[in-house]
Amino acid sequence: QVHLVESGGGVVQPRKSLTLSCAASGFTFADYPMHWVRQAPGKGLEWVAAISYDGRNTFYADSVKGRFTISRDNSKNTVNLQLRSLRGDDTAVYSCAREGGDISIGYGGIDVWGQGTTVIVSS
Amino acid sequence: DFVMTQSPLSLPVTPGEPASISCRSSQSLLNSNGYNYVDWYLQRPGQPPKLLIFLGSYRASGVPDRFSGSGSGTDFTLKISSVEAEDVGTYFCMQALQTPFTFGPGTKVDLK
Repeated sequence: QVHLVESGGGVVQPRKSLTLSCAASGFTFADYPMHWVRQAPGKGLEWVAAISYDGRNTFYADSVKGRFTISRDNSKNTVNLQLRSLRGDDTAVYSCAREGGDISIGYGGIDVWGQGTTVIVSS
Repeated sequence: DFVMTQSPLSLPVTPGEPASISCRSSQSLLNSNGYNYVDWYLQRPGQPPKLLIFLGSYRASGVPDRFSGSGSGTDFTLKISSVEAEDVGTYFCMQALQTPFTFGPGTKVDLK
């Protein structure tokens, strides 16, 4: 069964750092690009970052560029998100997600999502 | 960046009746490969989003055929042919043509 499980969330002071981790199982992790998406309390979805299947290419939302770093370890089936210089508006549930691949078309949507881990930035 | 808008933002529905949600992008989502890079997701309360439609009109695995996606360029529609009680939640469109991917604000669907 395909699974993504996030960990590492918690309460952190402004301007501090935190690293989130996502453990994947049930599929060939190294074949898929991975994403992080967040949702602030009572708000909509915000795409945060993505990483290519081999880790060579990374992409970020403008709101986190220069502060967050996405990385992956295909030998451990994990994708991480390092959060630095945290601000109050970074408070959210952070979910990792798999970018699916349709065999004939290529892109297949964000087809697998974890339950998320909560980050609260507060003094 | 691509700005995604949705309408309506709130949609009361009656089970058995059809429903429709519109999504508009600030720029065309039609790629040179002929596909429109827009997805539709349903987020039920307390749950992560679930992929319904990718590339504008392709139903994801296991998604009932009462859900359909259409449109091209900048205007897209998600239709539910006959609403069921389990369809309540918030529907989001998302553009995947270019990073940063961007979501619409969401359409909250609940029962009348």
